[in-house]
Amino acid sequence: GAGVSQSPRYKVAKRGQDVALRCDPISGHVSLFWYQQALGQGPEFLTYFQNEAQLDKSGLPSDRFFAERPEGSVSTLKIQRTQQEDSAVYLCASSLVNRYNEQFFGPGTRLTVL
Amino acid sequence: GQQLNQSPQSMFIQEGEDVSMNCTSSSIFNTWLWYKQEPGEGPVLLIALYKAGELTSNGRLTAQFGITRKDSFLNISASIPSDVGIYFCAGIAGGTSYGKLTFGQGTILTVHP
Repeated sequence: GAGVSQSPRYKVAKRGQDVALRCDPISGHVSLFWYQQALGQGPEFLTYFQNEAQLDKSGLPSDRFFAERPEGSVSTLKIQRTQQEDSAVYLCASSLVNRYNEQFFGPGTRLTVL
Repeated sequence: GQQLNQSPQSMFIQEGEDVSMNCTSSSIFNTWLWYKQEPGEGPVLLIALYKAGELTSNGRLTAQFGITRKDSFLNISASIPSDVGIYFCAGIAGGTSYGKLTFGQGTILTVHP
């Protein structure tokens, strides 16, 4: 399909494990965003990439969270030493750089930390 | 983190009724957006508003950008069962050039046939 895809769709981790969440943006979309959506809440901004450059990581909740986009396309959000409070849906969105109001969201990865 | 204040939290209505929901903030936003999210999916953009006082429609949906730039409203007319979902407002604050979104807590809409 032509939309944003994310994998895995569901991830169960034991507390303390490391996880990696993948985002494939829409081809040609320079801008890529990660958001965290806790149960019953709206999404909250985590980080922003323009091509391979991470221009804003102010929303990452701790230094256990790390995101990369080495070739300016696929992005990976990594969470080290997962904690129960990390349980949430992680959403990826992409847009054209001059159409940032029109962010297209992927279906998200639901992370459950036991 | 900061979120917009969205109300009501949930609505239970009969098919054919009109729906209104709103979103307020203590700070100014330069862009207001309304999204709909269905179970297991990411949010989908419904309407975008770019100027204070702007009124924009998309089919049965109408949204307004408040004059103070601190609020926005979404109306859905003649609701149908497929309108069921969670509606989120979102704003982009001034001074950001790349679309960092701040979301409301969402309004859960249930439509009874």
